[in-house]
Amino acid sequence: NAGVTQTPKFQVLKTGQSMTLQCAQDMNHEYMSWYRQDPGMGLRLIHYSVGAGITDQGEVPNGYNVSRSTTEDFPLRLLSAAPSQTSVYFCASRSRRSTDTQYFGPGTRLTVL
Amino acid sequence: DAKTTQPNSMESNEEEPVHLPCNHSTISGTDYIHWYRQLPSQGPEYVIHGLTSNVNNRMASLAIAEDRKSSTLILHRATLRDAAVYYCILLDSGAGSYQLTFGKGTKLSVIP
Repeated sequence: NAGVTQTPKFQVLKTGQSMTLQCAQDMNHEYMSWYRQDPGMGLRLIHYSVGAGITDQGEVPNGYNVSRSTTEDFPLRLLSAAPSQTSVYFCASRSRRSTDTQYFGPGTRLTVL
Repeated sequence: DAKTTQPNSMESNEEEPVHLPCNHSTISGTDYIHWYRQLPSQGPEYVIHGLTSNVNNRMASLAIAEDRKSSTLILHRATLRDAAVYYCILLDSGAGSYQLTFGKGTKLSVIP
């Protein structure tokens, strides 16, 4: 199993540009989520999904869109990038059992100029 | 969500045991105690979890107080690779809640 994969690993955008961060998992997990981590801070939840076709907002959803058309993929879209969105983005997945492990991807480091 | 309190940082000498504390005085009966750690420049990884009884795995041990208002993650012999930020997180098994809420965690430094 590849686990949770994210692309790209690094990205530089200009203010106002849009882009999609890709996330995929091959563990057939129902639950997927996106977090952002700013320097010296813990992770904050952006959006999450409990299954294909179902998404919901987390703590910091503004400026981001998500969709979940398949169990495997959960892309995160930045509609119009802003410098405040400079951060490291982590995708994660887990099964619906609360005792199960959450698996994280390696992260995407995004810089918005 | 019930909250947790952890020290901002701790230091340990290499090959000595490390006890990382976590307070969770408002824990509910259906909250599991999860520990994750984040190595530098990596995503978080699972360490251990428990409900009421102490737990052991190949990475660590989890000691849970009898009243469940606190817990301690124990690394039996710290190595340089254990230098990371350790997060103590409560997850309610009864509410259909799937997201982990991360605080700032404890930054563990291991001294050679």
